[in-house]
Amino acid sequence: DAGVIQSPRHEVTEMGQEVTLRCKPISGHDYLFWYRQTMMRGLELLIYFNNNVPIDDSGMPEDRFSAKMPNASFSTLKIQPSEPRDSAVYFCASSLNIGGGGPDTQYFGPGTRLTVL
Amino acid sequence: QKEVEQDPGPLSVPEGAIVSLNCTYSNSAFQYFMWYRQYSRKGPELLMYTYSSGNKEDGRFTAQVDKSSKYISLFIRDSQPSDSATYLCAMNEGTYKYIFGTGTRLKVLA
Repeated sequence: DAGVIQSPRHEVTEMGQEVTLRCKPISGHDYLFWYRQTMMRGLELLIYFNNNVPIDDSGMPEDRFSAKMPNASFSTLKIQPSEPRDSAVYFCASSLNIGGGGPDTQYFGPGTRLTVL
Repeated sequence: QKEVEQDPGPLSVPEGAIVSLNCTYSNSAFQYFMWYRQYSRKGPELLMYTYSSGNKEDGRFTAQVDKSSKYISLFIRDSQPSDSATYLCAMNEGTYKYIFGTGTRLKVLA
């Protein structure tokens, strides 16, 4: 399996521009997560989906951020308009609910390093 | 105050040393305690998890949870240069919402 795939790996944009980050989860996984990582705040959960349905978006910083999952194999995180404080590494992760107790293992993608000038 | 606190390091140790990594937390409802390893420019990967208090061992790695003190630890025995990475603790209340520490950067010197 190729693992979680994210694109682009690096994105440099100017303030005010729209940014779209893409994620392909591991085939068969039913949960998908979007995280943001910064030095100051660490890894923060933005939103997660179960079977393509958004379950908890309480971590989305503001209305400029939106996420969609149109099907089981694709998700996007969009920032419009982007601001310099959005500069971070954005990770997508997926997991499979196997039950039986214990946390499901989340498999992370390589991340998208976003720089907003 | 953050829910989960972790010393960012960096922590430098010689090869073969025992490494101790720690996190403190404030939410007594946390049930599962996890350790992730993150190599530079990569995504985090799960090392191990513990439920409630106690110890869990996996090869050279031992995870400890002390819920009375709200303190968790990861010990690495016989540390190797390949262990050089950032180690993130994470916890949850049994839901899918994990709260991560900011990570401790570890460097094992050959």
